[in-house]
Amino acid sequence: QSALTQPASVAGSPGQSITISCTGTYSDVGGKNQVSWYQQHPGKAPKLMIYNVNNRPSGISYRFSGSKSDNTASLTISGLQAEDESDYYCSSYTTSNTVVFGGGTKLTVL
Amino acid sequence: EVQLVESGGDLVQPGGSLRLSCAASGFTFSGYWMHWFRQAPGKGLVWVSRIRYDGSVTEYADSVKGRFTISRDNAMKTLYLQMNSLGAEDTAVYYCARDLWSAGDCWGQGTLVTVSS
Repeated sequence: QSALTQPASVAGSPGQSITISCTGTYSDVGGKNQVSWYQQHPGKAPKLMIYNVNNRPSGISYRFSGSKSDNTASLTISGLQAEDESDYYCSSYTTSNTVVFGGGTKLTVL
Repeated sequence: EVQLVESGGDLVQPGGSLRLSCAASGFTFSGYWMHWFRQAPGKGLVWVSRIRYDGSVTEYADSVKGRFTISRDNAMKTLYLQMNSLGAEDTAVYYCARDLWSAGDCWGQGTLVTVSS
C-alpha cells in the first residue's frame, strides 16, 4: 500500500480539464512543499512534470499545473490532448527526509 | 545532453547480492544529490535511497535499510547501489535519477533486477 493516495484512474475528453488528487498526511504532503508529479508512459522512464507543488520544469506545457491544500496535492491538466494519456505519480518528501509516492493514476483520454 | 545509464541488473537467487551502477554524463555529477528508485512489474514507483553530492549523507527507505548501500565515485561520475540479502520483493526495474529542486529531474532508462531461484 502506497503512502500517498491517488485515484486509480481518471478520464476526460480532448479539450477538457482533469484533476488528479494526492492525499497524504502532515508528515509528508501537509508538512513539506517538496511535492512532485511524474508522467510515465508504458515501458518508459518517468518524466518530471511539476516540482515543489506548483513549478514546471523547462519544456513542460503550461497546461500542467499543481497545487496543494492541507494534506492534499493536486495535478490539473487543462486542454486535454491524446498524448497526455499516461500514468501519473505524485511524490513528496517527508519530515524524516525520505520520499514517498502515490500508487499512480491512469489517465485515459476518451 | 544530460544522460544517466544504469547497468548491472541480472537474475539472482534469493539471498544473493548485486551491485548496480549508474554512469552520468552531460552535467557536473559532483554537484548533485542522486537517487535510486524502483518499480516492480506492473506496480508503482518506489523510492529506494539518496546520497548527497559529496557522499557524506545517505538515506534509505525502511524496506531496504540495512541491506542496500548507496555510494558514488565523483571522479568516475558513477552512482552505485550495493544490494545484499535480496528477496523476491526486490524484483523490479531500478532507476537512478538526478535530484534537482528536490525532485528527480532526469532519469535513466532503468535496469531489471530479478530475484528468483
